Amino acid sequence: DAGVIQSPRHEVTEMGQEVTLRCKPISGHDYLFWYRQTMMRGLELLIYFNNNVPIDDSGMPEDRFSAKMPNASFSTLKIQPSEPRDSAVYFCASRPWQGVEQFFGPGTRLTVL
Amino acid sequence: KQEVTQIPAALSVPEGENLVLNCSFTDSAIYNLQWFRQDPGKGLTSLLLIQSSQREQTSGRLNASLDKSSGRSTLYIAASQPGDSATYLCATVMEYGNKLVFGAGTILRVKS
Repeated sequence: DAGVIQSPRHEVTEMGQEVTLRCKPISGHDYLFWYRQTMMRGLELLIYFNNNVPIDDSGMPEDRFSAKMPNASFSTLKIQPSEPRDSAVYFCASRPWQGVEQFFGPGTRLTVL
Repeated sequence: KQEVTQIPAALSVPEGENLVLNCSFTDSAIYNLQWFRQDPGKGLTSLLLIQSSQREQTSGRLNASLDKSSGRSTLYIAASQPGDSATYLCATVMEYGNKLVFGAGTILRVKS
């Protein structure tokens, strides 16, 4: 298996623009997680899905952030409008229903100018 | 709210030394505890996962211990090598594996 796939790996955009980050979980994994890593706050859970349904979005910082999982093999994290303080590395992770270990993707480094 | 603290924040050692990384947490109602490695510009690699009922786990030169009652875990690295240089993250696993709360990490540099 190719592992968790994220795209793009790097994104540079200007303040006010819409940004969409993409994630393909490991096939057969029922849970999908979105994390954000910054120097100030470290790694934080933003939202997670079970069987494509959002379960807990309490970590989503503002209404500018939204996440969807239209099917078992694809999820998006959207920021609209983006702000410089959204600059961070965004990680996607997945795990199977009966497992406890989360498998992380390589991350997307977002820079908002 | 769970808080995870890692000490030291950074560590520089000569090759061959045995070393200990520390992790403490405030809420002992954890499901598991997990140690990760992160290389610059890369994702997270899981090193060891300790179930809440276990006291330690070993993998090669790595040994992780867990003391839930005192809210502490240690990662022991034996005979360190330059290839061990990375950031090491500790995470408590809450809510049946669905919520990881991370520490800020320990940046390790092993000098040859």
